Amino acid sequence: EADIYQTPRYLVIGTGKKITLECSQTMGHDKMYWYQQDPGMELHLIHYSYGVNSTEKGDLSSESTVSRIRTEHFPLTLESARPSHTSQYLCASSDPPGQGGNEQFFGPGTRLTVL
Amino acid sequence: AQSVTQLDSQVPVFEEAPVELRCNYSSSVSVYLFWYVQYPNQGLQLLLKYLSGSTLVKGINGFEADYNKSQTSFHLRKPSVHISDTAEYVCAVSDWGGAQKLVFGQGTRLTINP
Repeated sequence: EADIYQTPRYLVIGTGKKITLECSQTMGHDKMYWYQQDPGMELHLIHYSYGVNSTEKGDLSSESTVSRIRTEHFPLTLESARPSHTSQYLCASSDPPGQGGNEQFFGPGTRLTVL
Repeated sequence: AQSVTQLDSQVPVFEEAPVELRCNYSSSVSVYLFWYVQYPNQGLQLLLKYLSGSTLVKGINGFEADYNKSQTSFHLRKPSVHISDTAEYVCAVSDWGGAQKLVFGQGTRLTINP
């Protein structure tokens, strides 16, 4: 079983609040990812990281930001939450190439609702 | 750029019947292929993956998938389903190099009826 954790699992918050979604993994993976999934829709990559001090924008534009100060930790921050940010956010990490063909291990997700 | 199409958004099946969930992809480069399962309020769990070699891939929970390069397909099958197989099944593709980002299909909701 993959050791990747996300907190909180559910968050209901008012417009304008700053929020941070936490993601941690204990597998020592260098690559980590954040995906956004709206109900009934496919997952879209919003951020990824090759390792410490590396962050890249994904394929779907997002107003969120990420940081990677430690290998195991990849938090996502929204400076001012809006109802359009309501979605499920999934964090993942992956094996190095050649050791799993980029099998990505997923956390349980955070379901965010902005009122 | 890659894309993934899952041809059926919902598939209802009776218990102990066989099932096939279809997945087609497009890519200009060689790819890795994955099937994930997502239970309610949980993250994605890997069912199986194709990296290279045999085109018939066996995974967990009795699932298998057949990679067909000429048809760019990676259909998922199970000969006899159980109630516990009710879930969302998601097909994904990744290229071999760079960030190896996953591109996902829209998912197929498999519902098993008694």
